[in-house]
Parts: sequence; structure tokens; C-alpha cells
Amino acid sequence: DQQVKQNSPSLSVQEGRISILNCDYTNSMFDYFLWYKKYPAEGPTFLISISSIKDKNEDGRFTVFLNKSAKHLSLHIVPSQPGDSAVYFCAASFSGNTGKLIFGQGTTLQVKP
Amino acid sequence: GAVVSQHPSWVICKSGTSVKIECRSLDFQATTMFWYRQFPKQSLMLMATSNEGSKATYEQGVEKDKFLINHASLTLSTLTVTSAHPEDSSFYICSRLAGAWDTQYFGPGTRLTVL
Repeated sequence: DQQVKQNSPSLSVQEGRISILNCDYTNSMFDYFLWYKKYPAEGPTFLISISSIKDKNEDGRFTVFLNKSAKHLSLHIVPSQPGDSAVYFCAASFSGNTGKLIFGQGTTLQVKP
Repeated sequence: GAVVSQHPSWVICKSGTSVKIECRSLDFQATTMFWYRQFPKQSLMLMATSNEGSKATYEQGVEKDKFLINHASLTLSTLTVTSAHPEDSSFYICSRLAGAWDTQYFGPGTRLTVL
């Protein structure tokens, strides 16, 4: 039972354009969502997060949007840079779950110069 | 800089042997650490929650007798893969809580290959 889903395994965008990575979840108890960036053979690096009391969180070039009614979140990267090329995972957790994160399958982003 | 380290970064072993992976919290005393496993082109799957001074909590389907976790100090958790088999070949990653909500800092991972 995949509670967090990233239905696009890969995405390719041109440098300078916007990258939009999508994530859907099924468990309505999730109240905290995170995006991680991962390079091959390395551990994930935290990018940005959002709690369920918000619908948007912005940090520099990265913005995460949360649509609770649709159980959907997205990560916008603008402008995209070649260094952003990596695998992006969304993750979710809920209060009282002692910090456990449920990860999506990941989306490989390629930003072409 | 890195706040979680893992050792070794990669290991190759023969089937039937045991392998120990260390996870260290470098800047913070962590009472709770997590162990994940990632198969190629798949998601990170939580294996267990490592609790300092007490038994680890394993996720459903993870054999506790095969994946031994020891969290003997506030900065070190170890995962021992006992009697490893080729199907245990994977990328093992540990993490600790960052303090804010459920954000976690991850180690660089350990690539295990069982021949």
C-alpha cells in the first residue's frame, strides 16, 4: 500500500525554466510533508517542508504547495539550474508517529543547460 | 557540514557472513535514530527505529533477528545484517531527527553487496 506516490519517475526541463514535481498521498492523517534531494550513492538532503496548517512555503528558488482537499503537494523550482539535477523524494509524517517518514518513489529531475 | 556519518560507505561480503554498519550523530545527542533501506530505483523504506538504551522498533516485515540494531550511546547506532544473502544487497541509510517537527538528517548511506 503506497501511501505516498510520485507518479512521474522522471522530468526533464531546460535551464532557467520552472520545474514542477508532484506528489500525492492517501493517508489523511499526514500533517507534515517534506521534500528531499538525493544524488546517487548519497543520503537524501532536506530541501523544504510544509505543515498541514499551511498551503504554501517558500525558500529561495523552492516553493512547496499543499492542497489538502486533493491530497496533493508539489515542489516548484524556479529558475531551474543544472545543479538541481537529482532524484527528488517527497515524504510525509503525522503527529505521534515518532518521526517516521513515509517516502514516495522519487522523481529524477534533469535540468538541461 | 555533515551531521550524520556512516561507516563503511560500501562493503562487499560473502553470503552467510555478517556485516555491521555504524551510524554516528556528529553534532547532536540522538536518542532516536532511523534505519532505511533503498533498493535500486525504489523508494526509501523505513526498516526500524533505533532507541538509545532500549530495543529497536521494527517495521512490519523486517526481521529483527536478521537486522540487529544496537543504540548503545547517544551518538552511535549500529545495524548488523546477520547471515547476509544476495537479496540483502541494498543501500542502507540512517538518519536522526533534526529537532524541528519530523525533519531528519540523513547519513551518506552504505552500499552492501552480498556475493
